[in-house]
Amino acid sequence: DAGVTQSPTHLIKTRGQQVTLRCSPKSGHDTVSWYQQALGQGPQFIFQYYEEEERQRGNFPDRFSGHQFPNYSSELNVNALLLGDSALYLCASSPRREFIEQFFGPGTRLTVL
Amino acid sequence: QQPVQSPQAVILREGEDAVINCSSSKALYSVHWYRQKHGEAPVFLMILLKGGEQKGHDKISASFNEKKQQSSLYLTASQLSYSGTYFCGTDPRIQGAQKLVFGQGTRLTINP
Repeated sequence: DAGVTQSPTHLIKTRGQQVTLRCSPKSGHDTVSWYQQALGQGPQFIFQYYEEEERQRGNFPDRFSGHQFPNYSSELNVNALLLGDSALYLCASSPRREFIEQFFGPGTRLTVL
Repeated sequence: QQPVQSPQAVILREGEDAVINCSSSKALYSVHWYRQKHGEAPVFLMILLKGGEQKGHDKISASFNEKKQQSSLYLTASQLSYSGTYFCGTDPRIQGAQKLVFGQGTRLTINP
């Protein structure tokens, strides 16, 4: 049983560019949450998707947007990249019916130059 | 709103015990504990639901004081594999939201 998978593993972009990160949840999970983890900090909640809609959002600007597909996989899009967007982006999945445990994927390391 | 973890860092010798604390200013529905090793994803350790229960497996256990909105993680007879950064994630369950607010982390180093 595959766990949470994310792609790509690493990404280097320049300021002003746009980026798309992808996540496939653990089998049986229908809820996907995205977190941003800056170096030396705890993960910060960006937003959460289930039933193909954004349900909760953290304190992130509209440059951060997402999407969830019918197969529960999800994308995180960031427009107009800033140097401060450099971070590890983590995807976590959980079953909506029971928020007992979130499984995290390996993350995508984004570097903005 | 972010929970406060203490201490920020701990250095132990193998076999020693450690306690990591997590304190929130908000009423909590649950507290989740994770361990993250350098360059890896956070790994779930356990969840404490409101009700003040204490849980544990192997030599890692945790407690949750609902009245004080505090949780503590206990690591006994630490092993080298326990090294990493420990995060508590708090779930206030406001308006049914299922999301975690993480502390800044506690870096645990176990030396031989």
